[in-house]
Amino acid sequence: KQEVTQIPAALSVPEGENLVLNCSFTDSAIYNLQWFRQDPGKGLTSLLLIQSSQREQTSGRLNASLDKSSGRSTLYIAASQPGDSATYLCAVRGNKLVFGAGTILRVKS
Amino acid sequence: SAVISQKPSRDICQRGTSLTIQCQVDSQVTMMFWYRQQPGQSLTLIATANQGSEATYESGFVIDKFPISRPNLTFSTLTVSNMSPEDSSIYLCSVGLAGGPETQYFGPGTRLLVL
Repeated sequence: KQEVTQIPAALSVPEGENLVLNCSFTDSAIYNLQWFRQDPGKGLTSLLLIQSSQREQTSGRLNASLDKSSGRSTLYIAASQPGDSATYLCAVRGNKLVFGAGTILRVKS
Repeated sequence: SAVISQKPSRDICQRGTSLTIQCQVDSQVTMMFWYRQQPGQSLTLIATANQGSEATYESGFVIDKFPISRPNLTFSTLTVSNMSPEDSSIYLCSVGLAGGPETQYFGPGTRLLVL
């Protein structure tokens, strides 16, 4: 049974800081890994999707890496802004999408 | 992409009652999914609802408690039956699109509080 763990559970940083969110999964037989952002009352927004054959994906200030063999992914956020405050969810797709519990990020101005 | 709406956005219900949540998509989709997110926990898949067939429920979820309808390719409902305070959660509808990057789109969620 796939299990996804995200560390830290919560993070508070000052504006402008670079930060890293971590995700680990127990079963490396995955098709892809996605990072989502969850805002209250707005559902989930897909940030980055990494196929199992890829090592990383970039979108603006976001960079996600995938090491499938070790069961790890990181989401790097550069020059954080207060608008980045949200819950960040990692999800891996095998025969279904399995989510981690998320990292609650607060960026202080 | 897909735009998904859910009704209601939130509700407060009494134990023993039932609530039906609606999910509307702006395009025709084959696969629709219902998730539950209990407070402080990750999203858990309740069931997969494909048009024209019975919904497929995940371990721990049963049709009597969470009946699902899927009358067409743009609409689905999830009913939470005989509610208890343990059913207090966010319920999210999601769709999978074919023909592009394999991803799922999520609705805004329905926040349910059972007293």
